[in-house]
Order: sequence, then structure tokens, then C-alpha cells
Amino acid sequence: GQNIDQPTEMTATEGAIVQINCTYQTSGFNGLFWYQQHAGEAPTFLSYNVLDGLEEKGRFSSFLSRSKGYSYLLLKELQMKDSASYLCAPLTGFQKLVFGTGTRLLVSP
Amino acid sequence: GAGVSQSPRYKVAKRGQDVALRCDPISGHVSLFWYQQALGQGPEFLTYFQNEAQLDKSGLPSDRFFAERPEGSVSTLKIQRTQQEDSAVYLCASSPPGSSGNTIYFGEGSWLTVV
Repeated sequence: GQNIDQPTEMTATEGAIVQINCTYQTSGFNGLFWYQQHAGEAPTFLSYNVLDGLEEKGRFSSFLSRSKGYSYLLLKELQMKDSASYLCAPLTGFQKLVFGTGTRLLVSP
Repeated sequence: GAGVSQSPRYKVAKRGQDVALRCDPISGHVSLFWYQQALGQGPEFLTYFQNEAQLDKSGLPSDRFFAERPEGSVSTLKIQRTQQEDSAVYLCASSPPGSSGNTIYFGEGSWLTVV
């Protein structure tokens, strides 16, 4: 079966660093995506990890450990516009993304 | 077009009505996906096309749901005899041929409310 686990909600202040964790169990694995989704909008691509380790892209970094079924998204220098839901999504066969329920991040001044 | 385009953006249907949701993928994209997203939840996979072939429809929740992509470009998701539990956002996504998996683009979604 497929199981994705991430915190439901997190809060942080502007300028801070926040880490959103995700654990997963899937039948088949071809990498893991993180998407950002603002309310009422489409998910937008943030990162893709296929090998173990850290991928850094500006203020956002994503880490993957395939043996542990674990990933995290690290957001630095938080801005108000980073308030959104963050979706962890392992990629199984045939480019099939399996999403968690998402983590709603609220950034306060 | 520049991105994945979906229509209608918003649809209110009476229970029992049939609805059709359209997706125009990015030009040249071979793979097309439909996802259903209920309020406060992550998207859930419905079905996947490669060109006109429907390779996976394991996520379609019932036989009231039907998807097609007859010419390998535009796709339609049809829901027959809509029920209140069908109320959700229906997201379409596409990706180009030969992609490594990191190029899946989502449309804005079609918001369906069944009353």
C-alpha cells in the first residue's frame, strides 16, 4: 500500500528557518517531489530528489534518505508569501505521484 | 499554450447531473494525469494517459467516472450521475516525453460543487 505522513500544520516567523518532514511507504519508488500549493491554486513544483542527499535551490532545500523512507523540505529566510501548503509526493511507477495530505505552513510577522 | 489549461474553472452541478471537465495539456506533452483533491487533502491519483492510451485508471473511484483522450492531446473527465461526495477540485497535469519525472506540471483545476 501507499502511506505518506507529514505534519498537518506548522507555524513560523518571518526570517526564520523551518523544516517540514515527510515519511513514506510506497510500492515502487522513482524519486520524491515537493510541491507548494497556495489556497485555490495549482500545486507548483519546488524540488525533486531521486538520490540520497541534499538538493539546494535558493531558499529551499530538500533532503532524501531512501533507506529510511524519509525526506524533508527546508525553507530559509521565511517570507510571508511562503504561507501555503507543502505537499510531499513520492513518484511510483508510470510517473504516478502519491501525495500526502500536505503541511499547512503559516508564516507570521 | 503556456501551461496546462482546464475548463470550466468552476462548476456547480445538481445531484444526479452529468459533468464533463476538459484539460488542454502543454503542447507536445505525452503524459497526462487526472487527480482529485478534496478540501484540506492532498491530490489523489485518478488516471494516467500516455498519448491516447489510458495506461492506469486504478484511481477512478467508481464506474460513474470516465476519462478519455481520443487524439492524444485534449482530455475529458466525465462524471455521471454526480453525488455530493464528488465535490472536489479536479486537477490535470502533463509531462513531456522522455522526462526524468521532474517535469510534471499542474493546471489550475476545475472546482466541482455538487448540490
